[in-house]
Amino acid sequence: KQEVTQIPAALSVPEGENLVLNCSFTDSAIYNLQWFRQDPGKGLTSLLLIQSSQREQTSGRLNASLDKSSGRSTLYIAASQPGDSATYLCAVKSGNSGAGSYQLTFGKGTKLSVIP
Amino acid sequence: KAGVTQTPRYLIKTRGQQVTLSCSPISGHRSVSWYQQTPGQGLQFLFEYFSETQRNKGNFPGRFSGRQFSNSRSEMNVSTLELGDSALYLCASSKQGAKNQGETQYFGPGTRLLVL
Repeated sequence: KQEVTQIPAALSVPEGENLVLNCSFTDSAIYNLQWFRQDPGKGLTSLLLIQSSQREQTSGRLNASLDKSSGRSTLYIAASQPGDSATYLCAVKSGNSGAGSYQLTFGKGTKLSVIP
Repeated sequence: KAGVTQTPRYLIKTRGQQVTLSCSPISGHRSVSWYQQTPGQGLQFLFEYFSETQRNKGNFPGRFSGRQFSNSRSEMNVSTLELGDSALYLCASSKQGAKNQGETQYFGPGTRLLVL
């Protein structure tokens, strides 16, 4: 059974700092890994999706890496801003291609606070 | 293009009652997935519908059921509500869903259910 762990559970940084969020998963047989952002009381916004054959993806100040063999991914946020404050969730897509059965397994998230 | 919409946004029910939640996917998307989010368990996959058929199912009791209509809109029903069913219920849509391993999902804002 796939399990996804995110460390730390919460993080508080001053504005302008660079930071790294961590995600680990137990089964390396994944199809892709996705990072989401969730604002309080809201749904999820997809930030970056890394296919299993890729090592990293970049979007603006965000960079996500994937090391499938070790079961790890990191989300790097450069020059953090107060608007980055949110919960960041990591999710892996895995399943049984023969049965046509796939699902997303989520970590419990890292709550980020960027202090002005 | 309009995003994923969910109705109602908030709901209060009592134990033993049943509830129906609705999700309208992005136009052109045929796959709808449902997730339950609680502080203790995080985000957990409930089920996925594609072309009016349930394609995947998570590990939830039979009290949780769903359906999808020909226009891809989906409903989720929970019967005999329990206190532990209090959660944020999120739906997500994509064009192909499980069939396309690399595809991202787009999430709605969720329905917050409180069971008293």
